[in-house]
Amino acid sequence: DSGVTQTPKHLITATGQRVTLRCSPRSGDLSVYWYQQSLDQGLQFLIQYYNGEERAKGNILERFSAQQFPDLHSELNLSSLELGDSALYFCASSVEGTGTGNSPLHFGNGTRLTVT
Amino acid sequence: GDSVTQMEGPVTLSEEAFLTINCTYTATGYPSLFWYVQYPGEGLQLLLKATKADDKGSNKGFEATYRKETTSFHLEKGSVQVSDSAVYFCALSDDNDMRFGAGTRLTVKP
Repeated sequence: DSGVTQTPKHLITATGQRVTLRCSPRSGDLSVYWYQQSLDQGLQFLIQYYNGEERAKGNILERFSAQQFPDLHSELNLSSLELGDSALYFCASSVEGTGTGNSPLHFGNGTRLTVT
Repeated sequence: GDSVTQMEGPVTLSEEAFLTINCTYTATGYPSLFWYVQYPGEGLQLLLKATKADDKGSNKGFEATYRKETTSFHLEKGSVQVSDSAVYFCALSDDNDMRFGAGTRLTVKP
């Protein structure tokens, strides 16, 4: 058990809809990362937060947004959903603000999103 | 920017065979290198890491050596088991973020 909790485990929704994915980091970890894993594109970094502030941004679409709350949990909001957004969305956490050798990432089990 | 390239899969081996999964990286600085493993239905788990050149990371019989001269971090195991069947990701961490390779699916047959 990595200590990172993601909810829900599965989500099925229709095109055009909006969903929110939730992540609770490991106790003591200040940084949260979001990744998208699809069959054809591997693991894509979306965005990182450290202690409530955005730290780094990757290949995140404008239809997607995220935030980290004062209690350090994070939410990833996906709107105007398209079929191509179907994927596994992983949250990871680390103690420090960067994934350094002393602060590796700990991953949750992911949320599987299916857009129909 | 920094990047990681790992060998394409899938890789299928018989139990007790020797495993090598190649990983090379491109980086401007001195990154830390990692191997993560993803078992079916689960998130990624850290398998091993190395933070500087010539460091050897090892865990559960797997090992990888940080080779700066060849910019490589190949994963090896002398004798694989069926339970090692999973997807393996090479990753690089610099000052900004963690970048992952595309993943290599390993299937070990009895």
